[in-house]
Amino acid sequence: GAVVSQHPSRVICKSGTSVKIECRSLDFQATTMFWYRQFPKKSLMLMATSNEGSKATYEQGVEKDKFLINHASLTLSTLTVTSAHPEDSSFYICSARDGTSGGSSTDTQYFGPGTRLTVL
Amino acid sequence: GNSVTQMEGPVTLSEEAFLTINCTYTATGYPSLFWYVQYPGEGLQLLLKATKADDKGSNKGFEATYRKETTSFHLEKGSVQVSDSAVYFCALRRGPTGGGNKLTFGTGTQLKVEL
Repeated sequence: GAVVSQHPSRVICKSGTSVKIECRSLDFQATTMFWYRQFPKKSLMLMATSNEGSKATYEQGVEKDKFLINHASLTLSTLTVTSAHPEDSSFYICSARDGTSGGSSTDTQYFGPGTRLTVL
Repeated sequence: GNSVTQMEGPVTLSEEAFLTINCTYTATGYPSLFWYVQYPGEGLQLLLKATKADDKGSNKGFEATYRKETTSFHLEKGSVQVSDSAVYFCALRRGPTGGGNKLTFGTGTQLKVEL
């Protein structure tokens, strides 16, 4: 099946710094990528939807100036957590939708393994 | 709004035991329903899905039936193996192909299968 990678898998940073997380679709072109956040024992919370070449659509309650999303190519989306604080510590997961084929594949999202962010 | 409720884990079973993980949902319209599985250190993978009432999704010995009358999509497997140990997420997407592909997830249920 399709593979989505995330980098880094773990990151520890100091409060006030910015952190960039990359999400790549390795063997398909992803016209749409999604960013999720997962708290311990909680469900995945959709943060934003990004379409290649356009601005991301953020879910209600998600600060767009704090969580910057860039989807500059069909295989790469980045999430930058700006001026990170301890409350931003979480597990961030991306997913990608294969935009090159239609039919039933349009409803399948392929997920990355996640990035554990710890802000000290 | 849309929501998914799963049974809390962890669920611990002996190998070859019968598995049921309950999932109920609240949604407007006719959502599509999914089960995703996350093995340790890996991303979520689609396990099975159903797009309309009474559909049964199945894969790798797992089954789930879309029950509109009870708004449920319980996951079952007749005989679990140690390799089935993972976290299982129930999810819905509003509409069979629409809804912008946004998925609403349950909290996940960890399954541990022991010899």
